[in-house]
Amino acid sequence: DAGVIQSPRHEVTEMGQEVTLRCKPISGHDYLFWYRQTMMRGLELLIYFNNNVPIDDSGMPEDRFSAKMPNASFSTLKIQPSEPRDSAVYFCASSPGVGQPQHFGDGTRLSIL
Amino acid sequence: DQQVKQNSPSLSVQEGRISILNCDYTNSMFDYFLWYKKYPAEGPTFLISISSIKDKNEDGRFTVFLNKSAKHLSLHIVPSQPGDSAVYFCAASAYYGGATNKLIFGTGTLLAIQP
Repeated sequence: DAGVIQSPRHEVTEMGQEVTLRCKPISGHDYLFWYRQTMMRGLELLIYFNNNVPIDDSGMPEDRFSAKMPNASFSTLKIQPSEPRDSAVYFCASSPGVGQPQHFGDGTRLSIL
Repeated sequence: DQQVKQNSPSLSVQEGRISILNCDYTNSMFDYFLWYKKYPAEGPTFLISISSIKDKNEDGRFTVFLNKSAKHLSLHIVPSQPGDSAVYFCAASAYYGGATNKLIFGTGTLLAIQP
């Protein structure tokens, strides 16, 4: 079975540029999550969707961050404009339902210069 | 405000012995707990979970214990194997009482199994 697929695996870009991270969840999973991992804050939830609808975006740091899920098999996390402090590893995860473990992708390592 | 705490950043255990990883939480609404394992350059992988109606759950070499009164859980790995060397994250949620799918993660413990 294909797991959660994230792209790109690595992204290096200059401050001020738009960054788009992509995620394909596991087929049949109704929930999709975006996380950010940094040394300072650890693994923190940014936003999650249920059936393509955003449920909790309280972790989104600021208006520069936006996430969409146009269909059940695709989601994007966009940062515009990007800043050096956005440098982190961004993970996408999906789960079949409430109370079910989340399955993670291998992450996108983002570096903003 | 760290609601889930893993106070040991690292742990070294000899191969074949028991590894015990600890986790404390502060939010009494949490009713579902999970352990994840993470290798470098990979995403976290689910290991084992426990709901608050239980105090123990076992899966092969992995056992999770929950002490609700102390707001403490632990993961026991026995016997420890070299492939167990990884970062272990504890996570918690108010799945049942809070009807949320939101997980709060601890900061992780790096487990090193020595041959």
